[in-house]
Amino acid sequence: EADIYQTPRYLVIGTGKKITLECSQTMGHDKMYWYQQDPGMELHLIHYSYGVNSTEKGDLSSESTVSRIRTEHFPLTLESARPSHTSQYLCASSENDWTGELFFGEGSRLTVL
Amino acid sequence: AQSVAQPEDQVNVAEGNPLTVKCTYSVSGNPYLFWYVQYPNRGLQFLLKYITGDNLVKGSYGFEAEFNKSQTSFHLKKPSALVSDSALYFCAVRDRSGNNRKLIWGLGTSLAVNP
Repeated sequence: EADIYQTPRYLVIGTGKKITLECSQTMGHDKMYWYQQDPGMELHLIHYSYGVNSTEKGDLSSESTVSRIRTEHFPLTLESARPSHTSQYLCASSENDWTGELFFGEGSRLTVL
Repeated sequence: AQSVAQPEDQVNVAEGNPLTVKCTYSVSGNPYLFWYVQYPNRGLQFLLKYITGDNLVKGSYGFEAEFNKSQTSFHLKKPSALVSDSALYFCAVRDRSGNNRKLIWGLGTSLAVNP
């Protein structure tokens, strides 16, 4: 089992609420990622970080924001949730971004009513 | 353009039969190749990777994959399927040339193993 944890696993909230999805890893990895997974299957990279105080936007435009104040922690925030944000959010980390495999958390399934 | 294709949305096999989940890729240089599995309501788990060396790579849960450079393929195989292998399978590739470290994902293949 990978040492990367996401909370909450499931969240149902109303439109306009602010939410934060937590992601923590105990492997000391510098590289961390957030993916959005469509109900079908497809994975989209929305944010990544190569270390503390480093964050970049991914391929899919997202209204969410991220921060990386500590190596082990990479939270994702939505300031005002909308139904279009309903999705599965997957956090991952890796030792290196060339040959290293990704270690994924269990995911956070967000439903915005 | 860099891309990964998993030509089958769904694969059905009987328990005990061999299984193959196909993956082909298109990158400008040589690839790093990965397979991941996703069980229902779970995150993805790493299965195996090809970095260099032997074209036949062995991974977790009895899976293996063969890197075929001429056919630009990296098909996932298992000699004898189990019902518990039923899951989503994702192929991913990185182009080791240049500075682009972006991981390109396939759209996934749903494997159903029937008892």
